[in-house]
Amino acid sequence: EAQVTQNPRYLITVTGKKLTVTCSQNMNHEYMSWYRQDPGLGLRQIYYSMNVEVTDKGDVPEGYKVSRKEKRNFPLILESPSPNQTSLYFCASMLRATFNQPQHFGDGTRLSIL
Amino acid sequence: GQQVMQIPQYQHVQEGEDFTTYCNSSTTLSNIQWYKQRPGGHPVFLIQLVKSGEVKKQKRLTFQFGEAKKNSSLHITATQTTDVGTYFCFNAGNNRKLIWGLGTSLAVNP
Repeated sequence: EAQVTQNPRYLITVTGKKLTVTCSQNMNHEYMSWYRQDPGLGLRQIYYSMNVEVTDKGDVPEGYKVSRKEKRNFPLILESPSPNQTSLYFCASMLRATFNQPQHFGDGTRLSIL
Repeated sequence: GQQVMQIPQYQHVQEGEDFTTYCNSSTTLSNIQWYKQRPGGHPVFLIQLVKSGEVKKQKRLTFQFGEAKKNSSLHITATQTTDVGTYFCFNAGNNRKLIWGLGTSLAVNP
């Protein structure tokens, strides 16, 4: 089954404790992206990757890192999480970065930073 | 900068009533996509509109793209409880800047 898999689904942690949210897709998609979703602010892109070893900042990249060493994986790293990073995070993928195709989303990761 | 305004923010209907959400842009859009997010779920692609004046239907859902390609609408005929969720419009604007509407949350009273 074609899917985008994120882990963990839920995480409660403390300020400053490094964490990684994993994202994997099995559709051989070139484009992958991370979003955060906050009430009243909608979906905001954090980072995206056009292909392996190619990443770039989205609208709200501060406090996040990503890597794209393999086509299928696109982890999101919070090296020193802070409470303002408490949010619902989605990983998404798309066949290519032409934006005339659907984006496929993971189930989401609800992150709480205390 | 380029923005997409989505209205209304919330809509509460009785089951069987119709529902419409609108997406309006100040600039011409190359295309527009619509997504649905169920409560507790993730956005799911519904449809893409590309041509001026395009109308597409999916069962009770009708999607329109304006003649000037500056606005779009999603209309649901005779809503059902399964229609509950938030509907988003999306466009990858100029220079591939991603533009999401803030969504319209639909609640349906059975």
